[in-house]
Amino acid sequence: DAMVIQNPRYQVTQFGKPVTLSCSQTLNHNVMYWYQQKSSQAPKLLFHYYDKDFNNEADTPDNFQSRRPNTSFCFLDIRSPGLGDAAMYLCATSSAGNYNEQFFGPGTRLTVL
Amino acid sequence: AQTVTQSQPEMSVQEAETVTLSCTYDTSESDYYLFWYKQPPSRQMILVIRQEAYKQQNATENRFSVNFQKAAKSFSLKISDSQLGDAAMYFCAYRNWPEKLVFGKGTKLTVNP
Repeated sequence: DAMVIQNPRYQVTQFGKPVTLSCSQTLNHNVMYWYQQKSSQAPKLLFHYYDKDFNNEADTPDNFQSRRPNTSFCFLDIRSPGLGDAAMYLCATSSAGNYNEQFFGPGTRLTVL
Repeated sequence: AQTVTQSQPEMSVQEAETVTLSCTYDTSESDYYLFWYKQPPSRQMILVIRQEAYKQQNATENRFSVNFQKAAKSFSLKISDSQLGDAAMYFCAYRNWPEKLVFGKGTKLTVNP
């Protein structure tokens, strides 16, 4: 089945230790998104790629970076995680067009010790 | 900037009964799309139903239907014949260019047997 895959599902890191979360898709969608979702809150968009074009949200901290080496893969890098970065990180994909739904992955739960 | 408001943080319904979740939004655009997403506990977010703003007819997907009132900027979700599997967080979302979703804070739906 075509899908959005996130690895790992659970990630524990130490305060200040860089961490990378990964997302892959078999849907061949050209748009990929990273969201941060804290407990009982709505997902907050961090950035998205339209093909290779990177679009950063104005309020996304510099601590968060992203890479998209090809259509299928997208990575979220947190350079120096703080306790406030503990959250669920959701990857989503979509084909271009505002009518088209976003398909979400299961998320990676990040814990910062 | 567009905003989406879900005024009911929590709702409950008896199995087989009907429940309506409220959503209002604010936009100056005339062409946009509205979505309801469902996020079950520890499971990934999935699309429930979508509505194009230029269509007057309310969208329906099996037991799920919307009441779209464009002038009032209201987009409520009705779930008929509620089932235990409907228990989840429900997010209302708005989308127009450029490819981004704006989510409400969500409504937690509990289905009582």
